[in-house]
Amino acid sequence: AQSVTQLGSHVSVSEGALVLLRCNYSSSVPPYLFWYVQYPNQGLQLLLKYTSAATLVKGINGFEAEFKKSETSFHLTKPSAHMSDAAEYFCAVSVAGGTSYGKLTFGQGTILTVHP
Amino acid sequence: DADVTQTPRNRITKTGKRIMLECSQTKGHDRMYWYRQDPGLGLRLIYYSFDVKDINKGEISDGYSVSRQAQAKFSLSLESAIPNQTALYFCATSGQGNYGYTFGSGTRLTVV
Repeated sequence: AQSVTQLGSHVSVSEGALVLLRCNYSSSVPPYLFWYVQYPNQGLQLLLKYTSAATLVKGINGFEAEFKKSETSFHLTKPSAHMSDAAEYFCAVSVAGGTSYGKLTFGQGTILTVHP
Repeated sequence: DADVTQTPRNRITKTGKRIMLECSQTKGHDRMYWYRQDPGLGLRLIYYSFDVKDINKGEISDGYSVSRQAQAKFSLSLESAIPNQTALYFCATSGQGNYGYTFGSGTRLTVV
């Protein structure tokens, strides 16, 4: 079965600093990988997804993530943090076939705090 | 109107009561899901349905049941609510491909 691990339940950065949120996955078959963002009192919104095309994926709000098969990682980055980026971020994995096709497994979440 | 609508948004109920959370979607998707979110645990799958006649248990289905009334409607019931079912519940829908989910805004349930 597939799984994801997000390293760091809380990340704090200063406004303008690099944002790096870590995600490692486990899957016996080629994975599909997703990053979602949850703003306070809202549902989850898709930031970006990797579906076996380009390994560097660009998403909304200036975020991007790179799929590294050798490291089983899909870390989320943004060059310069903005106060509006403060939220909880979830990494998720699904697989391309079998009975779990299309069903997402989520990581534990990382709360991003941005300081002025 | 939102693509995925959950009702109620907030609910406080007493231990032992039966409660139903409702979800409807306008995406025209066949697949629907119920997750619960707890701090530090991420989202955990309760039940999912790949079409109207297909219902499957997720990783934490004990104490819950579901009903898929139509392609657009998928409700979650707590047969006899207990305090550790206090959580934020999300409904989601997806299409046939591997394109991710569309989520509702969530139902915050408190069992006292």
